[in-house]
Amino acid sequence: DAGVTQSPTHLIKTRGQHVTLRCSPISGHKSVSWYQQVLGQGPQFIFQYYEKEERGRGNFPDRFSARQFPNYSSELNVNALLLGDSALYLCASRETVGGATYEQYFGPGTRLTVT
Amino acid sequence: RKEVEQDPGPFNVPEGATVAFNCTYSNSASQSFFWYRQDCRKEPKLLMSVYSSGNEDGRFTAQLNRASQYISLLIRDSKLSDSATYLCVVSSNQAGTALIFGKGTTLSVSS
Repeated sequence: DAGVTQSPTHLIKTRGQHVTLRCSPISGHKSVSWYQQVLGQGPQFIFQYYEKEERGRGNFPDRFSARQFPNYSSELNVNALLLGDSALYLCASRETVGGATYEQYFGPGTRLTVT
Repeated sequence: RKEVEQDPGPFNVPEGATVAFNCTYSNSASQSFFWYRQDCRKEPKLLMSVYSSGNEDGRFTAQLNRASQYISLLIRDSKLSDSATYLCVVSSNQAGTALIFGKGTTLSVSS
């Protein structure tokens, strides 16, 4: 079975630009979460979506937004890019948002460099 | 206090050694606990969930102490392939909406 897929794998943008990152969850998983990982740190939670609704938001500015589509894939958008947005952006999928199964499975990530 | 704190590391051990990683968390509402492994420039991969009764998977043993808000991971008979960063992870709340990661502890196993 295919795991979580993300595109693109690498991206270079200039300060002030906008970026869209894409994620497809594991087949049958309805929840998608986004994380940002800067070098030397653990991943930091940005958003969680389930059934196209936002179910959780981390401590990130409004420049960050996301959405989930009927096929459960998701996009993360970042406006007005700053140098500090350079990071590995990880998408994770999970079967549900409740119940006993909390394990999340990560995609390979999109490495964003802002110059 | 950080939400999840881990041993700073790095840990440099010879093959065959036993190594233990420690982790503390601050949110008493956390209900789920995990260890993830991350290889250099790769995504985190779930190593094991951690249960109150403790659990073992081959050479790996995880323990949870809810009263002390403490989690541990023990690796026995270390292999070269165990070299990676180990991330201690807890759920943010009962619904498990978000995973809160520690900074990670790097393990290097040498021959």
